[in-house]
Amino acid sequence: KNQVEQSPQSLIILEGKNCTLQCNYTVSPFSNLRWYKQDTGRGPVSLTIMTFSENTKSNGRYTATLDADTKQSSLHITASQLSDSASYICVVSLNDYKLSFGAGTTVTVRA
Amino acid sequence: DAGVIQSPRHEVTEMGQEVTLRCKPISGHDYLFWYRQTMMRGLELLIYFNNNVPIDDSGMPEDRFSAKMPNASFSTLKIQPSEPRDSAVYFCASSYLTGSNPYEQYFGPGTRLTVT
Repeated sequence: KNQVEQSPQSLIILEGKNCTLQCNYTVSPFSNLRWYKQDTGRGPVSLTIMTFSENTKSNGRYTATLDADTKQSSLHITASQLSDSASYICVVSLNDYKLSFGAGTTVTVRA
Repeated sequence: DAGVIQSPRHEVTEMGQEVTLRCKPISGHDYLFWYRQTMMRGLELLIYFNNNVPIDDSGMPEDRFSAKMPNASFSTLKIQPSEPRDSAVYFCASSYLTGSNPYEQYFGPGTRLTVT
């Protein structure tokens, strides 16, 4: 069973709207939780990295939250743009370098 | 900086052939990772190196897979013999412990391998 579960599997939103992606994990203890963006045909690019003591971290229009008690994280995209169309992957780090990946949420932004 | 460089970008080969994937990490990085991505299993860590030494190869699927890092600027992932189930996108990533973001891994563009 995957230790990192993401939902929804995919979603479609209109340009300018907000959306929130969910990540539940069972990995414990963990070193940090990351969100990556992967454009089609490219490698993943890091959006945020949070340690277990951090509750929120922002990177431009992307805001990640972490609740270590419930083992849940979310990624909020504000005022979506067409360039936000991508797969968003939640990653939990077992130690500094061994990562456990979620299956990803595919976001499609339509004009 | 050119980022992590991988070659080839696409590889099509027949079952039973040897395949070699190549990676050049970002200069100065002391960690190098090999990942495999498939629709069924997502991203999986195969092996990672620190200062050219393999640290954890528990993700390598079987003996047909081998990885080397002869120096700080080059690594290879070899599959011999290749099988259709090896078809996937293989990513290389690098990282450095003493940087401003010590946990950050920088991914290359990937090599799409198709074994027929």
